[in-house]
Amino acid sequence: SQQGEEDPQALSIQEGENATMNCSYKTSINNLQWYRQNSGRGLVHLILIRSNEREKHSGRLRVTLDTSKKSSSLLITASRAADTASYFCATDEEDSWGKLQFGAGTQVVVTP
Amino acid sequence: DGGITQSPKYLFRKEGQNVTLSCEQNLNHDAMYWYRQDPGQGLRLIYYSQIVNDFQKGDIAEGYSVSREKKESFPLTVTSAQKNPTAFYLCASSSVAGVSSYNEQFFGPGTRLTVL
Repeated sequence: SQQGEEDPQALSIQEGENATMNCSYKTSINNLQWYRQNSGRGLVHLILIRSNEREKHSGRLRVTLDTSKKSSSLLITASRAADTASYFCATDEEDSWGKLQFGAGTQVVVTP
Repeated sequence: DGGITQSPKYLFRKEGQNVTLSCEQNLNHDAMYWYRQDPGQGLRLIYYSQIVNDFQKGDIAEGYSVSREKKESFPLTVTSAQKNPTAFYLCASSSVAGVSSYNEQFFGPGTRLTVL
């Protein structure tokens, strides 16, 4: 079963603009992770936020976590054409022993 | 050069044949995972292993089998019992962060399986 649900399903923006995508989940978690996937490739880990953290930054990425609303957001600032990819959130549920539940992803297209 | 490798990149199978997908990691990770990805969808867990000689079924294990004889290797066999095996298969590994909690997963480049 898939726990994370991303919104929107697709996003088209121009270079320099910010991209925001959201993820909702259903159960208690140890952490929530965001991954990027370029077409036909494996996933690349972007950022992990633990259940006791509310915000985390990594370069042009900003992730927030609201455990009371069971939701997270990923913000990519000053987007570049190279940011074109699918972005997935994945939840590490409590007592799941490392099993991640992935959402269906947000497909982001950044045009020059 | 540490990482996780999968082979082959592309695999074609005739109906009724079993095929085995290779996954190797040199990250010294205890846990390894196999996922299936269908077009436009997220990843679904097939099998996972937290330690050598032990593995558990994921959400869609029917028609698949695995082994974990070595820490570095976690091959996946797609059997003839899998009715719709055409998909993109991803292998991943991770290390332990704490009790029942693991760190981020590292993914291989994937194997695209097509049934002819």
